[in-house]
Amino acid sequence: DVKVTQSSRYLVKRTGEKVFLECVQDMDHENMFWYRQDPGLGLRLIYFSYDVKMKEKGDIPEGYSVSREKKERFSLILESASTNQTSMYLCASSSEQPQHFGDGTRLSIL
Amino acid sequence: DQQVKQNSPSLSVQEGRISILNCDYTNSMFDYFLWYKKYPAEGPTFLISISSIKDKNEDGRFTVFLNKSAKHLSLHIVPSQPGDSAVYFCAAYIIQGAQKLVFGQGTRLTINP
Repeated sequence: DVKVTQSSRYLVKRTGEKVFLECVQDMDHENMFWYRQDPGLGLRLIYFSYDVKMKEKGDIPEGYSVSREKKERFSLILESASTNQTSMYLCASSSEQPQHFGDGTRLSIL
Repeated sequence: DQQVKQNSPSLSVQEGRISILNCDYTNSMFDYFLWYKKYPAEGPTFLISISSIKDKNEDGRFTVFLNKSAKHLSLHIVPSQPGDSAVYFCAAYIIQGAQKLVFGQGTRLTINP
């Protein structure tokens, strides 16, 4: 079974902090993704990566950056956290479809 | 610009009956569609998919129908069981494009005993 592990289930940070969300997959997948899930909006793609050190912007990249130094690890970075970044963050990986998701990080920015 | 739309935020169905979840899309380039199921505090899990060369795909109690001319797909669950209570997301992508999925807003399905 594919396992996608997100480092934190719940996280509380303050406005202006730099926040790191980590994701690790164990299936040697080329592709990794970061989404946020908000009520009434579904899952929206923030960034994705199709190879080590490669990254592509998704639909809502503003305020975020990513890092992929190793194939199994994909990090999402909130450069200066703001309250409108309070959300559920979901990481996924795939070689082809379907994508496999982690259990999410519920991030609150106070 | 919502390219994939699930217009029903919620649906309530009696146990044993059929649940029908609907999804519409606007981008005619989409050629592969997936349904995911999500329980609270868990990540989405893949349920069933369909390619645009088909109009129906079945897997046990789950059937997905695709109507390309109407740009509409539906997920049928029969018979519905209490464990089916979850949020269901449809998603679409372009096979020759990047592996990016475009998701709908989700429909919360509640199965009543």
